[in-house]
Amino acid sequence: SYELTQPPSVSVSPGQTASITCSGDKLGNKHACWYQQKPGQSPQLVIYQDTKRPSGIPERFSGSNSGNTATLTISGTQAMDEADYYCQVWDSTNVVFGGGTKLTVL
Amino acid sequence: QVQVQESGPGLVKPSETLSLTCTVSDGSISSFSWSWIRQPPGKGLEWIGCVYYSGTTNYNPSLKSRVTMSVDTSKAHFSLRLSSVTAADTAVYYCARLPSVSDRFDTWGQGTLVTVSS
Repeated sequence: SYELTQPPSVSVSPGQTASITCSGDKLGNKHACWYQQKPGQSPQLVIYQDTKRPSGIPERFSGSNSGNTATLTISGTQAMDEADYYCQVWDSTNVVFGGGTKLTVL
Repeated sequence: QVQVQESGPGLVKPSETLSLTCTVSDGSISSFSWSWIRQPPGKGLEWIGCVYYSGTTNYNPSLKSRVTMSVDTSKAHFSLRLSSVTAADTAVYYCARLPSVSDRFDTWGQGTLVTVSS
């Protein structure tokens, strides 16, 4: 079965750029989505089709996907961005989530 | 903007069947595909399955033998049944909308915690 690997944690200082990676075999051949989940809340879509932002998601969120790695980049990270982030793809007819990355803003 | 809301028992006994319903607020249930996703306490997200606007279903291979999903357009809701539950099925269960096949999950419910315990 297809697997996605994310680092368990990433730390960033306020105002700096955070990069969260998601790795999988030939991941660049698939479309990646990213979800943000804050404590006690349901996940929220922040990036879809590798690079697109849903309405209402700040421009500081961006995505890329090439080779074996998809990356979620948060520019000018704010304290409110502290959350768990999950990548997700479709592998044929199955949905696969990465294990999640806890972003700490300190 | 569409809202989805999970409902069902919060406690299920081992070996019994977990049953949840997701109500769609704006009557668009027949125009989209829908999914169930769960999250064990303190852990990551696990996809359970999808029911497409065509009525066909698609399940996580690891759960396929125990899962049934269906849509009731007259009641604007879709349902999940998970049989022979164990403590490992304890999780927050989310319903979510798929704008189209193999697409993103763009709308999520608030989730409902289901605990499996005697």
